[in-house]
Amino acid sequence: GAGVSQTPSNKVTEKGKYVELRCDPISGHTALYWYRQSLGQGPEFLIYFQGTGAADDSGLPNDRFFAVRPEGSVSTLKIQRTERGDSAVYLCASSPKGGLNTEAFFGQGTRLTVV
Amino acid sequence: AQTVTQSQPEMSVQEAETVTLSCTYDTSESDYYLFWYKQPPSRQMILVIRQEAYKQQNATENRFSVNFQKAAKSFSLKISDSQLGDAAMYFCAYFSGSARQLTFGSGTQLTVLP
Repeated sequence: GAGVSQTPSNKVTEKGKYVELRCDPISGHTALYWYRQSLGQGPEFLIYFQGTGAADDSGLPNDRFFAVRPEGSVSTLKIQRTERGDSAVYLCASSPKGGLNTEAFFGQGTRLTVV
Repeated sequence: AQTVTQSQPEMSVQEAETVTLSCTYDTSESDYYLFWYKQPPSRQMILVIRQEAYKQQNATENRFSVNFQKAAKSFSLKISDSQLGDAAMYFCAYFSGSARQLTFGSGTQLTVLP
């Protein structure tokens, strides 16, 4: 596609439920990032994929959060046993290589609300 | 760990005037990039301008320019001839050469007054 696509745009779920957030990066981009943006704050790093593997998952807050990218393109962020504190906008970005001199292109995010 | 600080939660500017948004950062690395992103209500982060740490010359993109002071670890954004479409949240961000991730500041909400 022309840009990074994230679905759904908005998701409301009940506390304790499981959710999946999807990211379709720009075709051919090998690097993919997930960020979480709480209300009134800047995005915070969650995880970085280079190809199919998670090169850095140090930002995942706990073991309820997991992300996959099985074929090196689409990625899914999975959250188990959701809590109200998980409410935020989840942003995905991709870049051609992930190096210093490569721009990251962002999607419009998924706004997750846990009630 | 790197930190990015934006000390101005809100700023306003008259249309056609100039405004400067401040950003400071802390790092022990020598190889990194700095960015300014714009986030309108649509939530999509849009790259405004980037600066390579090894370049002394300040980056410029049309009406947007930066004042990069490496020793002071300061990276301010100047918007000239402000337009109504410039109204948005602006984030300063640091890209680590070693960690390969962006660290964002807390943002500055810019209002452009007609």
